Amino acid sequence: EAGVAQSPRYKIIEKRQSVAFWCNPISGHATLYWYQQILGQGPKLLIQFQNNGVVDDSQLPKDRFSAERLKGVDSTLKIQPAKLEDSAVYLCASSLPLGEQFFGPGTRLTVL
Amino acid sequence: EDQVTQSPEALRLQEGESSSLNCSYTVSGLRGLFWYRQDPGKGPEFLFTLYSAGEEKEKERLKATLTKKESFLHITAPKPEDSATYLCAVHFPSGNTGKLIFGQGTTLQVKP
Repeated sequence: EAGVAQSPRYKIIEKRQSVAFWCNPISGHATLYWYQQILGQGPKLLIQFQNNGVVDDSQLPKDRFSAERLKGVDSTLKIQPAKLEDSAVYLCASSLPLGEQFFGPGTRLTVL
Repeated sequence: EDQVTQSPEALRLQEGESSSLNCSYTVSGLRGLFWYRQDPGKGPEFLFTLYSAGEEKEKERLKATLTKKESFLHITAPKPEDSATYLCAVHFPSGNTGKLIFGQGTTLQVKP
């Protein structure tokens, strides 16, 4: 069974630029999550989708971050404009409802 | 406020030296407690789910236990390949699917 796919794996941008990350969840997983993991910390949930709909985006900085999940499968997370403090690993995970979450390899973002 | 705290932050062991990692939580309506392993540059890898106090699960040299306020991950006779960051996460009600809150992790180094 294929795991959660993410791209790109690494991205370096200047502050105030924009960036987008892509995630393809495990087939059949209706729930998709985006997490931000700052070095030395545990993952922090940014947004959670159930199929196409947003379940929880309470910790998403909506002035600069946006996310969408088209057709209930793939998802993109965008940051515009980026700030220095956005440097982190962005993890995508998917699960069956109430099941354990399976994570992708993450995208390491460096904002200079 | 819902919180998950892991201790110690870092742990160095000699190969074969058994020890325990702790995860304490203050969450209402716990639906489950998850343990993940994270290797450098990779996403978290699922290890265990525990649902009720008194429950135990084992996998190779790892055993996870759960009480009403904390969980322990016991590592018996560790090997260098057990070196990683171990994350615990608490699953609690949020909408129809629930939500995970992660601790900051314990970084384990096992020396040969």
